[in-house]
Amino acid sequence: ETGVTQTPRHLVMGMTNKKSLKCEQHLGHNAMYWYKQSAKKPLELMFVYNFKEQTENNSVPSRFSPECPNSSHLFLHLHTLQPEDSALYLCASSQVGNSPSGEQFFGPGTRLTVL
Amino acid sequence: TQLLEQSPQFLSIQEGENLTVYCNSSSVFSSLQWYRQEPGEGPVLLVTVVTGGEVKKLKRLTFQFGDARKDSSLHITAAQPGDTGLYLCAGARNYGQNFVFGPGTRLSVLP
Repeated sequence: ETGVTQTPRHLVMGMTNKKSLKCEQHLGHNAMYWYKQSAKKPLELMFVYNFKEQTENNSVPSRFSPECPNSSHLFLHLHTLQPEDSALYLCASSQVGNSPSGEQFFGPGTRLTVL
Repeated sequence: TQLLEQSPQFLSIQEGENLTVYCNSSSVFSSLQWYRQEPGEGPVLLVTVVTGGEVKKLKRLTFQFGDARKDSSLHITAAQPGDTGLYLCAGARNYGQNFVFGPGTRLSVLP
């Protein structure tokens, strides 16, 4: 248990579906992240939220829409995805600004398959 | 341009062997982390090193941070099949505001 939970763990959706991924952190951190991990590719940072404000969007297509209602919850809304969007989607949290370490703690991920 | 390089990319060894994997950068980091990730799961933090030259031990794993805080190594003694996984290094700057991951070393320990 890392203190970061993600639901669902597995998701299969068609290209015309709309679904949402949920992440919750129980660590009292002030920053949350979405990453995409495709097979045999490095982790790709998608979005960063500091104190609920989006501070980074790494050229992510608009079919991915993040939402951060408070510092403990993060959502990734999905619509009209493509098969190449199939991947493991990871959520992470960290405490930014208080110490040099700033390490990130990850959830177990959501394995997404787009048919 | 990859800010953090990891080598080797793949490593397959027999149970009981020793190994070292490396994480290198031309940039200075305020801290460096090592994670292990198993298939279908999120990365799990193994260690954080902060001081240049620092050495940390976690059972059979020894982590070292370079003197200039630009590189790190992970040494595993007497590897076991349970050590199999993807080993990721990550560097933090600006008190965690900038966080970058390396591409990982995929380790397979055969019984």
